[in-house]
Amino acid sequence: GDSVTQTEGLVTLTKGLPVMLNCTYQTTYSPFLFWYVQHLNEAPKLLLKSSTDNKRTEHQGFYATLHKSSSSFHLQKSSVQLSDSALYFCALSPFSGGNYKPTFGKGTSLVVHP
Amino acid sequence: EAAVTQSPRNKVAVTGGKVTLSCNQTNNHNNMYWYRQDTGHGLRLIHYSYGAGSTEKGDIPDGYKASRPSQENFSLILELATPSQTSVYFCASGEGTGGGAETLYFGSGTRLTVL
Repeated sequence: GDSVTQTEGLVTLTKGLPVMLNCTYQTTYSPFLFWYVQHLNEAPKLLLKSSTDNKRTEHQGFYATLHKSSSSFHLQKSSVQLSDSALYFCALSPFSGGNYKPTFGKGTSLVVHP
Repeated sequence: EAAVTQSPRNKVAVTGGKVTLSCNQTNNHNNMYWYRQDTGHGLRLIHYSYGAGSTEKGDIPDGYKASRPSQENFSLILELATPSQTSVYFCASGEGTGGGAETLYFGSGTRLTVL
């Protein structure tokens, strides 16, 4: 079945430094990849999404590129802010003839210190 | 923006009791989902629905039932609650427009404690 792997459970950084959160996936279908962000005591919400191979997608200073050759969709930001502290989920929604059943990774908690 | 409302926000139940978690969406989305969130496990899919009258088992359906009586409403039912079902539950809806490009809109969550 489909799966999403996020290798880091916790990432701790100092404000102003760059960050990369890893996401790899497995599916037999054409993939749509998503990053959702969940701030403390809030609901998850969409950060960005893509299905286009080798095209960078950006939103709110974050960016990610889907690489189908390596089945990856890593999330990056060049300079993290205190407000970026949150839980980040990578999710997969495959093209499968109308059967959606999105799959989420376990999440990466990002903590940004002053 | 899509609106998904869950009730109750917090619930304390006793072991063996029946619990119903409710979800309402006002955006006419076809698809609705129930997830539970536990530390170290992320979001795990319990049940989902493609429209009124339909329910499908997700990845961890044991101990849960679901009901979709209308386009707007999707309930999660724990017939015999157990302490292992203590968790935060999220409902989500999605447009289901085809091709996999479905953004999920989440409710604010229900924190369930089973004693």
